[in-house]
Amino acid sequence: KNQVEQSPQSLIILEGKNCTLQCNYTVSPFSNLRWYKQDTGRGPVSLTIMTFSENTKSNGRYTATLDADTKQSSLHITASQLSDSASYICVVSTPYSGGGADGLTFGKGTHLIIQP
Amino acid sequence: DVKVTQSSRYLVKRTGEKVFLECVQDMDHENMFWYRQDPGLGLRLIYFSYDVKMKEKGDIPEGYSVSREKKERFSLILESASTNQTSMYLCASRLRDSSPLHFGNGTRLTVT
Repeated sequence: KNQVEQSPQSLIILEGKNCTLQCNYTVSPFSNLRWYKQDTGRGPVSLTIMTFSENTKSNGRYTATLDADTKQSSLHITASQLSDSASYICVVSTPYSGGGADGLTFGKGTHLIIQP
Repeated sequence: DVKVTQSSRYLVKRTGEKVFLECVQDMDHENMFWYRQDPGLGLRLIYFSYDVKMKEKGDIPEGYSVSREKKERFSLILESASTNQTSMYLCASRLRDSSPLHFGNGTRLTVT
């Protein structure tokens, strides 16, 4: 069964510090992996997409990595800000014909709190 | 920017009522989705539509139905609301399989 496991479940860090969120998956075949940010009371918003051939991709203070051999991804946040407080959801995609109705497997998310 | 609009932010309904949740997107996307989000369970797919009048069951379709009569509108129907359907409901759309999902801000439904 396709699965996406995220760790930690929750994390509290001080403003200005760095942190790394983990995503391990068993989804096969693999199409791509996305990280979404969900602010409280809002819908998730895509931060970055990783395809099979990409190892690292940055979006401002967010850097995502992908190791397709070990089926692991990480999201590193540099110099955290209060606005980074949110849930971060890892979503792995299979080709539509090989996956579920939407071809997507969701992680349960990491709840990140940035304290001043 | 893509906009996905859900008609209500908060709804309170009684057990047994028929409930309609409406979702509209403004970017001519083919695919539309309904998810529910519960603490500790993450997002779970209820129904998916890849074209007008087309629909596919997701992981948890029991107790729900959907309607897509126009490309921009996807409705979720709870035929007879029950307390275990109290949840956050999120609508999403995307252009194609490889595109990101664009979510609405959700409807928090409470069934009493």
